[in-house]
Amino acid sequence: DGGITQSPKYLFRKEGQNVTLSCEQNLNHDAMYWYRQDPGQGLRLIYYSQIVNDFQKGDIAEGYSVSREKKESFPLTVTSAQKNPTAFYLCASNAELADTGELFFGEGSRLTVL
Amino acid sequence: QKEVEQNSGPLSVPEGAIASLNCTYSDRGSQSFFWYRQYSGKSPELIMSIYSNGDKEDGRFTAQLNKASQYVSLLIRDSQPSDSATYLCAVVNGYSGGGADGLTFGKGTHLIIQP
Repeated sequence: DGGITQSPKYLFRKEGQNVTLSCEQNLNHDAMYWYRQDPGQGLRLIYYSQIVNDFQKGDIAEGYSVSREKKESFPLTVTSAQKNPTAFYLCASNAELADTGELFFGEGSRLTVL
Repeated sequence: QKEVEQNSGPLSVPEGAIASLNCTYSDRGSQSFFWYRQYSGKSPELIMSIYSNGDKEDGRFTAQLNKASQYVSLLIRDSQPSDSATYLCAVVNGYSGGGADGLTFGKGTHLIIQP
């Protein structure tokens, strides 16, 4: 079945460590997105990529990095520079040139900093 | 920066009644609007999209859009306990490079359907 796979589902990190969250999709979508959700909050855009080897910062990119070397993959690295990394991270995609903009989400990765 | 406002709730509705969820947005030029449902601990799932003024119906769900008032609503008829969730309103940020620049989400309304 087509979909978006995020891993790991749960991750614990010590302060000062970098961690990479995986996002893979087999929907043949060109555009991919990373969002962060904090308890009782909406989703906030971290980074997005509309095409391989290109990506743009979202509203809260500081302390995060991404790469887009393959169409199927859009990993997110949470660096030690991110002050409050504990959150629910959601990866999403949509088809390029879609005049709708609707997003399809993976199941999410929950990161806890100890 | 676009803003999307929702009443956080909780909104409590008896089973079988109509649940009405509301959303306002700041950018008058916004064109595409979405309602997502999110169960606790899960990822959002798209339930409705609307692009033109007026009503759009899909089963028990009706989305309503009024661009002049910058207002989007979602009606859920014959509410069921399984409808209890957080409902997120979202607006497209814009389009560049041939694709969408993502969505701006409201904080969501927590809906509780009382059996």
